[in-house]
Amino acid sequence: DAGITQSPRHKVTETGTPVTLRCHQTENHRYMYWYRQDPGHGLRLIHYSYGVKDTDKGEVSDGYSVSRSKTEDFLLTLESATSSQTSVYFCAIRSREGNEQYFGPGTRLTVT
Amino acid sequence: LAKTTQPISMDSYEGQEVNITCSHNNIATNDYITWYQQFPSQGPRFIIQGYKTKVTNEVASLFIPADRKSSTLSLPRVSLSDTAVYYCLVGYPGTYKYIFGTGTRLKVLA
Repeated sequence: DAGITQSPRHKVTETGTPVTLRCHQTENHRYMYWYRQDPGHGLRLIHYSYGVKDTDKGEVSDGYSVSRSKTEDFLLTLESATSSQTSVYFCAIRSREGNEQYFGPGTRLTVT
Repeated sequence: LAKTTQPISMDSYEGQEVNITCSHNNIATNDYITWYQQFPSQGPRFIIQGYKTKVTNEVASLFIPADRKSSTLSLPRVSLSDTAVYYCLVGYPGTYKYIFGTGTRLKVLA
């Protein structure tokens, strides 16, 4: 499982509140990714990181911010949660050897 | 920008070979094409990756033509446990970004 954990695994929050999801890895990978998965939309890239303090936007970055202050942690923040951000969020790391990505177990977020 | 499309769904019977094609234009020229399997309530799981021509591992083969505008995942002799959604993953040119294909829901019938 490439030593990836996500927390929390489930969260229910109210519209307008800030939410932070955490991705933690234990194998010192440089590249980390945040995706969201919605029915009918597959997986879409939100933000990614290519090193400590180095991040960039993906396809659906509006309403999200990220931070990576140390190699092992990549945080995703919903600045003011909306119902459209109800989704399953997956974190992934990328293996340097072959470019394949390994995914965490996911966080199911519900915004009411 | 890279754009990928896959058939929405496929049905197959146990023991048959299944081929799933992903069409992708304008992908990174120096990056791998990767395929994933996903079961309900789980994250995607790596199956196989390749750069060009043909790659085979213990579970699948991957065919990539010279123009790299498509790739075909081949699953030999599928079983009921292969029922899942299959995604291709390709890279954007000049970035570390990746885009998933639209996903193909494979249903294997007894």
